[in-house]
Amino acid sequence: DAGVTQSPTHLIKTRGQQVTLRCSPKSGHDTVSWYQQALGQGPQFIFQYYEEEERQRGNFPDRFSGHQFPNYSSELNVNALLLGDSALYLCASSFGDEKLFFGSGTQLSVL
Amino acid sequence: KNEVEQSPQNLTAQEGEFITINCSYSVGISALHWLQQHPGGGIVSLFMLSSGKKKHGRLIATINIQEKHSSLHITASHPRDSAVYICAVLNTGNQFYFGTGTSLTVIP
Repeated sequence: DAGVTQSPTHLIKTRGQQVTLRCSPKSGHDTVSWYQQALGQGPQFIFQYYEEEERQRGNFPDRFSGHQFPNYSSELNVNALLLGDSALYLCASSFGDEKLFFGSGTQLSVL
Repeated sequence: KNEVEQSPQNLTAQEGEFITINCSYSVGISALHWLQQHPGGGIVSLFMLSSGKKKHGRLIATINIQEKHSSLHITASHPRDSAVYICAVLNTGNQFYFGTGTSLTVIP
């Protein structure tokens, strides 16, 4: 049983570009959350998707948007990239009140 | 002030020592998670707690809801326990807040 898979693993973009990150949840999970982790910091909650709707959102600008598909997979889109968007982007999936399972992340570098 | 505070920020221990990492939070929560992050970024969820105590192998997690405090204990620490340990709370509005992590190094 595959756990949470994220793609790509690494990505380099330039300022002003747009990026799409992808996440496939663990089998049986219906909720996907996205997190941004800057170097040396703890993760910051971006948003959570459930039943294809954004259920909760952290303190991130509208440049950060997402989507959840009927198969529960999810995308994180970031528009008009800034240097400060360079970070590890983590996806986690869950079902109900059960534990989170994290993917290994996408390392985004903005030059 | 952060909603989740962890202490200590950094911890170095000799192999075999008993280790305690503390987490205090200021929001009403529905659950608290202890996470382990190894170099390279991979995160593993160790425990999810809403009350009491949980044990898995050499790891023990406790939570005191009234005091808004949780502890992660590692008994008989081993170098492979070296990692960053992160406390995360899910508030009653279903939003996650994370501590900045405790970096643990266990020396052989």
